[in-house]
Amino acid sequence: DAKTTQPTSMDCAEGRAANLPCNHSTISGNEYVYWYRQIHSQGPQYIIHGLKNNETNEMASLIITEDRKSSTLILPHATLRDTAVYYCIAGGYQKVTFGIGTKLQVIP
Amino acid sequence: DVKVTQSSRYLVKRTGEKVFLECVQDMDHENMFWYRQDPGLGLRLIYFSYDVKMKEKGDIPEGYSVSREKKERFSLILESASTNQTSMYLCASSFRDLVLNTEAFFGQGTRLTVV
Repeated sequence: DAKTTQPTSMDCAEGRAANLPCNHSTISGNEYVYWYRQIHSQGPQYIIHGLKNNETNEMASLIITEDRKSSTLILPHATLRDTAVYYCIAGGYQKVTFGIGTKLQVIP
Repeated sequence: DVKVTQSSRYLVKRTGEKVFLECVQDMDHENMFWYRQDPGLGLRLIYFSYDVKMKEKGDIPEGYSVSREKKERFSLILESASTNQTSMYLCASSFRDLVLNTEAFFGQGTRLTVV
């Protein structure tokens, strides 16, 4: 799996868009980018994944750069319930390896 | 509702004891995983299994073993518990896909304290 680099922590005002960056410069051609989040005292929860095209679902949008070396997870209207640790993972078949993640604090 | 169930939420064991952590999933998933989570270190993969009786070492397998006798159940075994194995243990499962990792579902975790 490719190594990922994320900021340790970020703040976001409630109602504003939260943009969480991830660097995965060593990603290989067949590796996907996945995002999970972990709310305190719970197991991680899947958010979204993508290969090269931008993706959107009911939770978030994923923007992957053309060279695939970085990506951004966008929560369009952050709420207090989005306060969590967000993990960016670049990997392929079967094995899912997490890093330390970004602690997002949504501020009222 | 999909479910990954870990047998205990909290567990306290003595040094040297043999410890079994059980995980059951009801989604007919092929893949199952065991992680440990420690402050400042994130989630680290201990072992995973992609089929019954199959297992692969993750990033930190030392001091652990696993068992997958049935598709729905994946057990993590600490042969002789030590204090440095005090941690939160998380089990996960996912469908096996030949191209990508599918969405992984996690249990609520077992907080193990070894005294």
